[in-house]
Amino acid sequence: KQEVTQIPAALSVPEGENLVLNCSFTDSAIYNLQWFRQDPGKGLTSLLLIQSSQREQTSGRLNASLDKSSGRSTLYIAASQPGDSATYLCAVMNYGGSQGNLIFGKGTKLSVKP
Amino acid sequence: KAGVTQTPRYLIKTRGQQVTLSCSPISGHRSVSWYQQTPGQGLQFLFEYFSETQRNKGNFPGRFSGRQFSNSRSEMNVSTLELGDSALYLCASSLALGGAYGYTFGSGTRLTVV
Repeated sequence: KQEVTQIPAALSVPEGENLVLNCSFTDSAIYNLQWFRQDPGKGLTSLLLIQSSQREQTSGRLNASLDKSSGRSTLYIAASQPGDSATYLCAVMNYGGSQGNLIFGKGTKLSVKP
Repeated sequence: KAGVTQTPRYLIKTRGQQVTLSCSPISGHRSVSWYQQTPGQGLQFLFEYFSETQRNKGNFPGRFSGRQFSNSRSEMNVSTLELGDSALYLCASSLALGGAYGYTFGSGTRLTVV
């Protein structure tokens, strides 16, 4: 059974800091990994999708890396802003099964203080 | 282009009642997945539909059911509601089965069972 863990569960930083969110998974037989952002009471917004053949993806101030062999991904946020405050979820894509195609971690709740 | 649309946004139901939630995927997307999100369990997979057929099902009781129509719109139904069914129900659409191109989520339906 695939298990996804995100550390830390919560993080508070001052505005302007660069930060790293971590995601680890137990089964390296994934074919994609997707990072999402969720604002309180809202749905999920896709941030980055990394194909298993890729090592990283970048979008603006965000950079996500993937190391399948070690079962890890990181989301790097540069020059954090208060608007980045949200819960960040990592999800790995397996090939079906009762867990579904997307298996989520519990998320990292980020608070960026002005 | 329009995103994933879920209706209604909020619902309050009484124990024992049944409820139907609706999801309209992004135009051209044929895969629709449903997830339940609670503070304790996080995001859990309910089922996935593709071309009007259920392709995958999570570990939920038979009270949870769904269907997909020829226009790819999907509905999920929960019968004999229990207090523990209170959750945010999220729908995700994908271009292909298995999410090879990633998933796009709707804003969710917040169900409260009293």
